[in-house]
Amino acid sequence: RKEVEQDPGPFNVPEGATVAFNCTYSNSASQSFFWYRQDCRKEPKLLMSVYSSGNEDGRFTAQLNRASQYISLLIRDSKLSDSATYLCVVNRGGFKTIFGAGTRLFVKA
Amino acid sequence: NAGVTQTPKFQVLKTGQSMTLQCAQDMNHEYMSWYRQDPGMGLRLIHYSVGAGITDQGEVPNGYNVSRSTTEDFPLRLLSAAPSQTSVYFCASSYGHSNTGELFFGEGSRLTVL
Repeated sequence: RKEVEQDPGPFNVPEGATVAFNCTYSNSASQSFFWYRQDCRKEPKLLMSVYSSGNEDGRFTAQLNRASQYISLLIRDSKLSDSATYLCVVNRGGFKTIFGAGTRLFVKA
Repeated sequence: NAGVTQTPKFQVLKTGQSMTLQCAQDMNHEYMSWYRQDPGMGLRLIHYSVGAGITDQGEVPNGYNVSRSTTEDFPLRLLSAAPSQTSVYFCASSYGHSNTGELFFGEGSRLTVL
């Protein structure tokens, strides 16, 4: 079993749709959590950190449930430019940063 | 504002050849690391460094060497290339030693071993 698991997708949604991605992690000692975005054949870039209280950045909302070891990302009012792979990332202390394999999103006109 | 720079962007090697992937950052970051990315798998940590003169192994270190003689540079050496090392390699850096730090990635180096 992978330490960080994501639905690989792809998710195909129309512009304007709301889409949610889920991620589970297996190590209860994990300390910090992130969503990264990776465009096709590009490097990953930080989208947002994820906090226990939940956090929002424009159309993006991230949630963390430590009891269930579950992280989510909600994208509202999807744009064509949101098409990318979204990586769930978990840090379990020190430099042990674990990347999920990613969820691919395609937003269609 | 260069950030993290990797060279070369593309490389084809024959089995048994050696080569070095270069990585340089201009953000004065203490932490640098090398990842490989393969289809269907998350990025996997090869080696990392928390400062000049200090390196350590990550999850998949076999077949790779690193050194960190300066804060800016962190080259990755493939000692004797194998087809299993065909992958996309990313160098990343982060400020300080905080585990809440953002990782800044280079553009990647695509390596094919025949």
